[in-house]
Parts: sequence; C-alpha cells; structure tokens
Amino acid sequence: GQNIDQPTEMTATEGAIVQINCTYQTSGFNGLFWYQQHAGEAPTFLSYNVLDGLEEKGRFSSFLSRSKGYSYLLLKELQMKDSASYLCAVSSADSNYQLIWGAGTKLIIKP
Amino acid sequence: DTAVSQTPKYLVTQMGNDKSIKCEQNLGHDTMYWYKQDSKKFLKIMFSYNNKELIINETVPNRFSPKSPDKAHLNLHINSLELGDSAVYFCASSQGAGSSSGNTIYFGEGSWLTVV
Repeated sequence: GQNIDQPTEMTATEGAIVQINCTYQTSGFNGLFWYQQHAGEAPTFLSYNVLDGLEEKGRFSSFLSRSKGYSYLLLKELQMKDSASYLCAVSSADSNYQLIWGAGTKLIIKP
Repeated sequence: DTAVSQTPKYLVTQMGNDKSIKCEQNLGHDTMYWYKQDSKKFLKIMFSYNNKELIINETVPNRFSPKSPDKAHLNLHINSLELGDSAVYFCASSQGAGSSSGNTIYFGEGSWLTVV
C-alpha cells in the first residue's frame, strides 16, 4: 500500500532551525511535495523534489532520498509566521499521479 | 485577484438538506479538483476533472456530484447531507492532470461545512 508518515507536532524557537521529516512507502514514485498550511487557510506550495538531493529556496530547503523513502523540510531563521502545518505529499504513477497526503506536522514557534 | 475562488466559505446546514459549493479558477489550468480535509487534517481527493471530463472519482458517496460547465469551473453538489459530511472542502487546480512533472496544485481558500 501507500503510506506517508510525519511527526504530528514539533516545537521550535524563533531564530532557530528545524527539520521536519517525512517517510513514505509508495510504488511508482513520481516526486514529493511540501505544502504549508496556516490554520484556517488553504495549503500553499513550498517545494517539489523528484531527484535525490537538496533543493534550497530562501530560508526553506527540501531534501529527498528515493532509496530510503525519506524527505525532510529544513526551515532556517525561524519566524513566528512560520507557525503552521507542513504537509508532505507524494505523487505516484500507480495512483494516476494523484497526490497522497500525509496528515501534516504542526509546527509551533515560540519566542 | 484570487486564483482559485470558492463559495461559500462557511456553511452551516441541517441534516438532510442539499447544498452546493461553487469553484472558479482564473489560472487557465486544465485540471480541477475537489479535496476533503477532515478533523484529522488528512487531505483526501474526491474528484478530478481535466478539460471538463471526469478523470478521478474516488470512493465517494453518490450523494456527492461534481459538475464542470467549463474548464474554469467545478461545482460540488451534495444531497441529503449527513453529520459525517462536516469537513473543509478545498477546490484546487493544476496545469496538467495529476502531479506528473511537478505540476503544482493551487488551492482555494476552503469551504467550512458544518452539518447539524
């Protein structure tokens, strides 16, 4: 079957660095997405990885290891506005390329 | 201008009623979706349309019926509402079908449906 795991909740301090992990089990892997969702709002796109390695985009970076079925989202210089849920989603060719979503990691930033 | 807009944002209704949620996208995308996000925050796809044609129809009760008059619009009609239908419903769109080649999915702001 297809499965995505990520921690339910994490807490970090403003100005620090936090790494949110995502592990997945899927056949026909076709890329991994990270989305940010603030409470009461829609998910918004953060990053897409389809090849192994690190993709950097400002304060946010995303890493993928296809052989390990593992990804992480790295947030640097945390700001209070980064408090949100971070959703990991995997695209699978075996599911007609539809995204399979994790439950999200709620990130709480403390001053 | 809002890229993906859906109405209403909040809807409280009684069991047994019929309601509709409308969605429009001005991104010129070919594919539109309806997602349901329950209290556990899982996003589950319900339907996907590509150029007005239904391409994904997950295991959803027949009480839910999508309609796409054109590729910029995808409405969701729900008959005989049940308590378990209470959730947030997100409309979304992408350039291509599914998420191949990294097609980014853009979400509407969500419609909070509460059935009492």
